[in-house]
Formats: sequence, C-alpha cells, structure tokens
Amino acid sequence: GAGVSQSPSNKVTEKGKDVELRCDPISGHTALYWYRQSLGQGLEFLIYFQGNSAPDKSGLPSDRFSAERTGGSVSTLTIQRTQQEDSAVYLCASSPPTGAHLEKYFGPGTRLLVL
Amino acid sequence: AQSVAQPEDQVNVAEGNPLTVKCTYSVSGNPYLFWYVQYPNRGLQFLLKYITGDNLVKGSYGFEAEFNKSQTSFHLKKPSALVSDSALYFCAVRASFSGSARQLTFGSGTQLTVLP
Repeated sequence: GAGVSQSPSNKVTEKGKDVELRCDPISGHTALYWYRQSLGQGLEFLIYFQGNSAPDKSGLPSDRFSAERTGGSVSTLTIQRTQQEDSAVYLCASSPPTGAHLEKYFGPGTRLLVL
Repeated sequence: AQSVAQPEDQVNVAEGNPLTVKCTYSVSGNPYLFWYVQYPNRGLQFLLKYITGDNLVKGSYGFEAEFNKSQTSFHLKKPSALVSDSALYFCAVRASFSGSARQLTFGSGTQLTVLP
C-alpha cells in the first residue's frame, strides 16, 4: 500500500523566507512525527501528533518552527524567517494506532537548503 | 537521559564477508531497541526491533541483531554482505515504560559500504 509521502522532495530558499513542508501519513495511522536530520547527525525529534490530543511540541528548536495537522491526517511543518542552520532533511513518520507506537514508518524526507 | 552511541561513522566490508554495525545504548529500565536503514534519497526503513524475549532478533534482508544487556549493546549483523546493503544505518532506543514519542532516541548513524 501507499507509504508516507512528503512534498516537496527538495526546497531551496533564501534566508529570511518562510517555507512549508507537507506530510501525508499512511491512511489510518493516528500518530504523526516530524524529525530533522542534519548532515552527520542523528535524527532530532521536532513534534508529535496523536489523534485529537494536543501535540507534543517539546522538540521544536525555536518559535520560528510550527506545525499543524488538519483533520487528523495531513500535516504541515512551517519554518518562518529561515536561517542557514535550518538546512537539513526534514523527515515525517507515522505510526498505527496500536500500543506505544513501537514502529514508525518514515517518508522520503524534504531536503531544505537555506542560502 | 537516554542515549545511543554508534562508534563508527563508516564501516567498509567486502561483499560476501560478514558485517557488524555497532550500537551501544543507555536508558533507564528495560530498553526497546530498533535498527533503521536509509538508502540514498530515501526515508528510513524499519529493519528490526527488540522488545522482549530472545536476545537474537531477526529482521528484513537477512539482518539480525543481538541484544546484550550486560554490555548494553545491540549490534547489527549479517553473515554475508551484499553490495546492495550499502546504506546509512541508524540504531534507536527508548525506555519500555515511556509513552512519549520523544523518548525514541536515534544514534548518529553508520555509513556501511560493501565493496564488490
């Protein structure tokens, strides 16, 4: 079946501009996560959505970062006034509604380059 | 705080030889342990996990990993490497009692290159 999809696959922007990254989770998955992968580093947790509960935003690095999930499905990660250090691969993952979210299904990521 | 260490940034192995990608962890209580693989320009794919039971876990593509509690390790292994196994491998850990998504901590990744 269809996996997690993300768009755009690549985004080049100028410093100071806003960007929006989109994630379409697997149908029926109630949990959705955003991670950031910087060059040579592991995955950094950003934000977590679970059903209609308030999102866990504890991983967002600054108030320039925000995310929403509409209708319990598609999610958008927004970065305002982008900085060069925001350049990274942004990965979205979803999990089925079982237990403690043991297994995550990742999308291909969006490569963001801030010039 | 929990953490994962992948001490090798790069592992090179000849095709047909056994491979090992090392992972050690630190977590309070019992761990849940995972391996993910990332092929170029692709997202992470789940390989295998240890939750409970047998210490030797078998996963996708002929990979296996052995949970060693005394050494707090979860090394990834394969008896005979293929060139197509070349990819970036991530180890991840979380505490078994935690329900928070943030509690899944990833290592920095190990680039595996299998030479023909």
